[in-house]
Amino acid sequence: DIQMTQSPSSLSASVGDRVTITCRASQDINNYITWFQQRPGKAPKSLIYAASSLRNGVPSRFTGSGSGTDFTLTISSLQPEDFATYYCHQYKSYPHTFGLGTTLEIK
Amino acid sequence: QVQLQESGPGLVKPSQTLSLTCTVSGGSISSDGYSWNWIRQFPGKGLEWIGYIYKSGTTHYNPSLKSRLSMSVDTSKNQFSLNLSSATAADTAVYYCARDNKFCTDGRCYGMDVWGQGTTVNVSS
Repeated sequence: DIQMTQSPSSLSASVGDRVTITCRASQDINNYITWFQQRPGKAPKSLIYAASSLRNGVPSRFTGSGSGTDFTLTISSLQPEDFATYYCHQYKSYPHTFGLGTTLEIK
Repeated sequence: QVQLQESGPGLVKPSQTLSLTCTVSGGSISSDGYSWNWIRQFPGKGLEWIGYIYKSGTTHYNPSLKSRLSMSVDTSKNQFSLNLSSATAADTAVYYCARDNKFCTDGRCYGMDVWGQGTTVNVSS
């Protein structure tokens, strides 16, 4: 199975800050990674697919980058609704696997 | 816009079968280019992909669960289902259904784009 190592596990930041979350795959996954957001009690919301493509309706302050084994999710200017948990997910091969998540907290 | 909704018992006794259904609305489960997936999230928040089914009934399961798992699809009801036999406390989790969009454009494949709200299942006597 492909292991997805996500860091940091938690992050404190303020509204307006720029934050970056990273995910490293244990083998080359090309660009087969999505990032999704999870708020307590809510359905996971997919933000980015194919490493850097924004889903329809997702604000442009979210950007993804990377290819191969190293990937990042950047939020350029944090808004109050962005404080949530973020996960990476590889879909290069089965079984699909996920990072352990990054919880973004208000400083 | 496509929406998914999980349903099923919130409490299952050990050794019994855990059964869940996902109802698709706002779109057809019979549309080409999609697989229909189950994922679970454990109390410690880790996520595990369980398996998928296509409209044709073709399945692919996580090897870790394969011996206990079966999935089915009912296109007339726009639903797909999961059965996990011999449940134990280790199967306690929030279970999500999700659509995996197999379409690609310029080498960019859309992936898992729609998720249900999730349903909590406790395995306990």
